[in-house]
Amino acid sequence: GESVGLHLPTLSVQEGDNSIINCAYSNSASDYFIWYKQESGKGPQFIIDIRSNMDKRQGQRVTVLLNKTVKHLSLQIAATQPGDSAVYFCAENERNDMRFGAGTRLTVKP
Amino acid sequence: KAGVTQTPRYLIKTRGQQVTLSCSPISGHRSVSWYQQTPGQGLQFLFEYFSETQRNKGNFPGRFSGRQFSNSRSEMNVSTLELGDSALYLCASSSGTRSDTQYFGPGTRLTVL
Repeated sequence: GESVGLHLPTLSVQEGDNSIINCAYSNSASDYFIWYKQESGKGPQFIIDIRSNMDKRQGQRVTVLLNKTVKHLSLQIAATQPGDSAVYFCAENERNDMRFGAGTRLTVKP
Repeated sequence: KAGVTQTPRYLIKTRGQQVTLSCSPISGHRSVSWYQQTPGQGLQFLFEYFSETQRNKGNFPGRFSGRQFSNSRSEMNVSTLELGDSALYLCASSSGTRSDTQYFGPGTRLTVL
């Protein structure tokens, strides 16, 4: 049959603005979450992680928010820069099984 | 500390051939996982090795196999290549099991003609 390619959600922001990338996860038993950034032609790069006993964690220019009630994860990037342009995807872990989301393509306009 | 390295970075093969990809994890990491990434399917888990033993396996045919050496370096092999095997093959290492933070290598881009 015909295969259908993944249609990545896209987010386009102006340089200097804040970006918010969202991820809905599937398993309420997941206890560990990671955000990765993947630039074209490169492997995914670890950005930030959060355990299920937390609802917020901050890094350098990035913040991850976890809402376990609605199984939602978000990545906030402050003062987005052109170098932030990439595909961002979340990963959830449940009992040693890591699952990855399809990703969101972030484009930063100068 | 050096990151995860993968060789080769690019590979072109023809249908029916076999291929071996190599991955060197971060020093001290004992778990190595392999993933296939395609535009159509995203990131899909192939298998995970820990201390030379396959710990987990994804939903791929037996043509895909792997192994891990005593120094934690890992290889994956794909036999009887098909056009649909064209993909970016990523290796990720972690200190313990797959549930720990995984750090990815740059990948091997395999093209099957």
